Amino acid sequence: DAGVIQSPRHEVTEMGQEVTLRCKPISGHNSLFWYRQTMMRGLELLIYFNNNVPIDDSGMPEDRFSAKMPNASFSTLKIQPSEPRDSAVYFCASSRQGGYGNEQFFGPGTRLTVL
Amino acid sequence: GQQLNQSPQSMFIQEGEDVSMNCTSSSIFNTWLWYKQDPGEGPVLLIALYKAGELTSNGRLTAQFGITRKDSFLNISASIPSDVGIYFCAGQKGGADGLTFGKGTHLIIQP
Repeated sequence: DAGVIQSPRHEVTEMGQEVTLRCKPISGHNSLFWYRQTMMRGLELLIYFNNNVPIDDSGMPEDRFSAKMPNASFSTLKIQPSEPRDSAVYFCASSRQGGYGNEQFFGPGTRLTVL
Repeated sequence: GQQLNQSPQSMFIQEGEDVSMNCTSSSIFNTWLWYKQDPGEGPVLLIALYKAGELTSNGRLTAQFGITRKDSFLNISASIPSDVGIYFCAGQKGGADGLTFGKGTHLIIQP
């Protein structure tokens, strides 16, 4: 089985540019999570979806950040305009809700550098 | 946002030694999980705990869900070089919720 797929793996952009990160969850999983990892703040939850519906976006830092999940197999995280402090590794994770186990499985991450 | 208190921050040990790390929280979590992250990769799930007091093993790894539901520990027995990496604890309130992570324990093994 393919795991969570993220693209691109690395992104370097200039301040003010729009950045779009992409995620394909594991087939059959109905929950999707976006996390951000930095040295200072560690791993933080940004937003998550259940059955394609955004449930909690309280972790999204600012209005410059937006996320969508148009269908069960695809999600995007967009930053517009990007700023140097957005530089971080962004992870997508997915899980299957219901039943006893609902472990989250992480993708390899997108390393974003904003110059 | 809230984070879990994970300790120690780093450990320098000899190959073959046992390792112990723990996480505490000021609030209750209904699920505790332990992940390992290697450089350039995403966290990989090691052990998930669902019941207070639960003790679960996965090979040389053993983890426990504290009775108060505010803490958990992870033990690694007879460490080997491939155990090197960063270990994260994570707590989850409800089954469909996002995870709250500790800051990680960086494990370094000297041969």
